[in-house]
Amino acid sequence: NAGVMQNPRHLVRRRGQEARLRCSPMKGHSHVYWYRQLPEEGLKFMVYLQKENIIDESGMPKERFSAEFPKEGPSILRIQQVVRGDSAAYFCASSPRVAGVHYNEQFFGPGTRLTVL
Amino acid sequence: AQTVTQSQPEMSVQEAETVTLSCTYDTSESNYYLFWYKQPPSRQMILVIRQEAYKQQNATENRFSVNFQKAAKSFSLKISDSQLGDTAMYFCAFMKLVGGATNKLIFGTGTLLAVQP
Repeated sequence: NAGVMQNPRHLVRRRGQEARLRCSPMKGHSHVYWYRQLPEEGLKFMVYLQKENIIDESGMPKERFSAEFPKEGPSILRIQQVVRGDSAAYFCASSPRVAGVHYNEQFFGPGTRLTVL
Repeated sequence: AQTVTQSQPEMSVQEAETVTLSCTYDTSESNYYLFWYKQPPSRQMILVIRQEAYKQQNATENRFSVNFQKAAKSFSLKISDSQLGDTAMYFCAFMKLVGGATNKLIFGTGTLLAVQP
């Protein structure tokens, strides 16, 4: 069973361009979380999605950032008109949702390192 | 809102020795989980150990154990017989349960542990 896949691993964008980060959850996982890690900091929650639904986007910046998790295909984190402050590592985690189970572990992908020039 | 505090930005330990990393948290919730994650230079997030708040017994995983003091809201990680491969950033994390199901992780700022030969 392959782990959580993220691509690209490294992404370089110039200010004003768009960045698209992809996350393929583990097989059978229907829940995806996105976290951002700024340099020298811990991970900060951005958004939690189930297939075709955003459950919690309380950590998402109000502008320029959006996320989706379609019925088919990977989850996408999209950053429009990137600025230097968006430079960070973006991690995706997935978990299953097993009925009646109190806790479902989040499995992390290797992250995408975004550099904005 | 929940917060997680790690007051030790960096620590060093000799190989085969024992080291304890500190973590405190603040919450008004009664039902939650606490975690320690390891992030080696590869940046992959690896779950080290998990503690359910309703369990009084401290969790252990081989050389890793925790000291969970619920009233004091303290959750320290003890690494015994330190190995060179333990060199990494260690993050303490909190998760409250929403409707009995898992939710987002809230991370501390991390402690960089260096194991010296």
